Amino acid sequence: AQKITQTQPGMFVQEKEAVTLDCTYDTSDPSYGLFWYKQPSSGEMIFLIYQGSYDQQNATEGRYSLNFQKARKSANLVISASQLGDSAMYFCAMREGPGANNLFFGTGTRLTVIP
Amino acid sequence: DAGVIQSPRHEVTEMGQEVTLRCKPISGHNSLFWYRQTMMRGLELLIYFNNNVPIDDSGMPEDRFSAKMPNASFSTLKIQPSEPRDSAVYFCASSLGTWGTGELFFGEGSRLTVL
Repeated sequence: AQKITQTQPGMFVQEKEAVTLDCTYDTSDPSYGLFWYKQPSSGEMIFLIYQGSYDQQNATEGRYSLNFQKARKSANLVISASQLGDSAMYFCAMREGPGANNLFFGTGTRLTVIP
Repeated sequence: DAGVIQSPRHEVTEMGQEVTLRCKPISGHNSLFWYRQTMMRGLELLIYFNNNVPIDDSGMPEDRFSAKMPNASFSTLKIQPSEPRDSAVYFCASSLGTWGTGELFFGEGSRLTVL
């Protein structure tokens, strides 16, 4: 079974609007961490935001917030006030278990911001 | 501060040739990861090291692939002999290897084309 599922291959959003990128995960471990990365066309992977499984509040980093719904095993990324520079691939990833170091990535969502 | 440094950025070679990709992790990071990214399979973890010791190499495709980390500041991924299906972007990443917000910092990737 896929550990991370991103069901939206592509998304469009109008500049200055908010957009939600979906991510669901599968794990039986009570300790895990969820990450979002951005990959612009230049190819580098940029860390955006992190949510721990025991965190009580949703993570926020500037215009990025993570809508963490533990019972549904979802960790959606919300980008507010979209900018043209937000056009990129977005990957959801999970690290499971204490002491585990490797990340499992989803297949990504390509976001296009329309002027 | 210098990030993860990979070389070469681009490599074009012919089938059957040996390819060596190099990575310098961020100083002080004790975990190093090699990922491969293709359109078909997305981001796949090939191998990761903790304190220079290979921890999980189950993602290494076959015996043609080998990775070493002779010291804390250098790692190589070698493909011998290379095949066209090895064409991909290979990312090296490093982290502090601690539980929690120990996100992975990625290099800019090495784009390999095998003709």
